Amino acid sequence: SQQGEEDPQALSIQEGENATMNCSYKTSINNLQWYRQNSGRGLVHLILIRSNEREKHSGRLRVTLDTSKKSSSLLITASRAADTASYFCGGVNQGGKLIFGQGTELSVKP
Amino acid sequence: GAVVSQHPSWVICKSGTSVKIECRSLDFQATTMFWYRQFPKQSLMLMATSNEGSKATYEQGVEKDKFLINHASLTLSTLTVTSAHPEDSSFYICSARGLAVSSTDTQYFGPGTRLTVL
Repeated sequence: SQQGEEDPQALSIQEGENATMNCSYKTSINNLQWYRQNSGRGLVHLILIRSNEREKHSGRLRVTLDTSKKSSSLLITASRAADTASYFCGGVNQGGKLIFGQGTELSVKP
Repeated sequence: GAVVSQHPSWVICKSGTSVKIECRSLDFQATTMFWYRQFPKQSLMLMATSNEGSKATYEQGVEKDKFLINHASLTLSTLTVTSAHPEDSSFYICSARGLAVSSTDTQYFGPGTRLTVL
């Protein structure tokens, strides 16, 4: 079963703008991970944030986690056309399973 | 580091035949591997979890006799789709989690296998 919902389902922005994607989850998690998927390809791991962390940065990525609201956000700053992809969040539950949300399709126009 | 490969990358088969998909961790030992399937424009659905040397555990609604999983070594897991039918056509992706990688919590994904059943 899906872990939760992602918002928005599709996002179109201009190069240079920031992109924010949100993710909500249903069950308790040990950590939450964000992945990127180019069309028809496998997933690339972007960042992992643990349940006791509130914010994490990696390059142009910033992830927040609010366990009280069971939600997370991924911010991509200064977006590039190459950032065009689908982005998924996945929560790792107590059993160690990674369950994904619906995903956000990001389109960055040059 | 932490590379996962899948073979084949795509396969077309006739209805009723069986197809085997391999998932290998190339530079680390995968204590646990996961199999997902993904339909077009949709998210990944977890099918099963396999631990080296033990039986796979399947998610609710996944037929274990249809999707046979074997995790015979710390670097190889196989998914066999038995008696495939057109509705089994999908993108199958494996992931691996294991030892000696930067984070034992991170799952590393293979590039996926596109299965088309005619």
